[in-house]
Amino acid sequence: SYVLTQPPSVSVAPGQTARITCGGNTFGRKSVHWYQQRPGQAPVLVVYDDTDRPSGIPERFSGSKSGNTATLTISRVEAGDEADYYCQVWDSSSDHAGFVFGTGTKVTVL
Amino acid sequence: QVQLQESGPGLVKPSETLSLTCTVSGGSISSGTSYWSWIRQPAGKGLEWIGRIYISGSTNYNPSLKSRVSMSLDTSRSQFSLSLTSVTAADTAVYYCARVRPITISFYMDVWGKGTTVTVSS
Repeated sequence: SYVLTQPPSVSVAPGQTARITCGGNTFGRKSVHWYQQRPGQAPVLVVYDDTDRPSGIPERFSGSKSGNTATLTISRVEAGDEADYYCQVWDSSSDHAGFVFGTGTKVTVL
Repeated sequence: QVQLQESGPGLVKPSETLSLTCTVSGGSISSGTSYWSWIRQPAGKGLEWIGRIYISGSTNYNPSLKSRVSMSLDTSRSQFSLSLTSVTAADTAVYYCARVRPITISFYMDVWGKGTTVTVSS
């Protein structure tokens, strides 16, 4: 089955930049989407189709992809950005097409 | 603005069937541009996709759960439902419903319900 690998944790000081990576095979043919999940809350879409932001998501959140790695970048980090972040792709490479979520990254604001 | 709300029993006995419903408000469940999905999250763990359904009734399920899962959609009530049979303690989790949007060759979930906690215990 398709696997998306994320670092378990990232720590960042307020005002600095956090970068969260997501690794997978054959990324070039897949779109990557990112979700933020604050403690005790449902996930929220923050980036879709590698680089696009839904309305209402601050410009501080941006996505990129190069080779087999996608990156969610959070600029000018704030205390409210402390959350778990998940990447996601749609995998249609097998007989059983479906959603695959990354392992998740906990962002801690120091 | 579309909103989703999960409902169903918070406690299910082992070997029985877990049944949840998601009510869609503020938008049409019959929209041909949306799919509808269930996702779950055991305490302290990551997100696991369960399945999705389209207005036509077409479904896709996670292969690891496929033998126990079924989903249905009721347009008259603007609801879609999840049924998971033969549950065990491993099925204890927060269950989310979500709206799925297609884009180019992919899909993403742009609206989520708040989630409902289901515990499997005798």
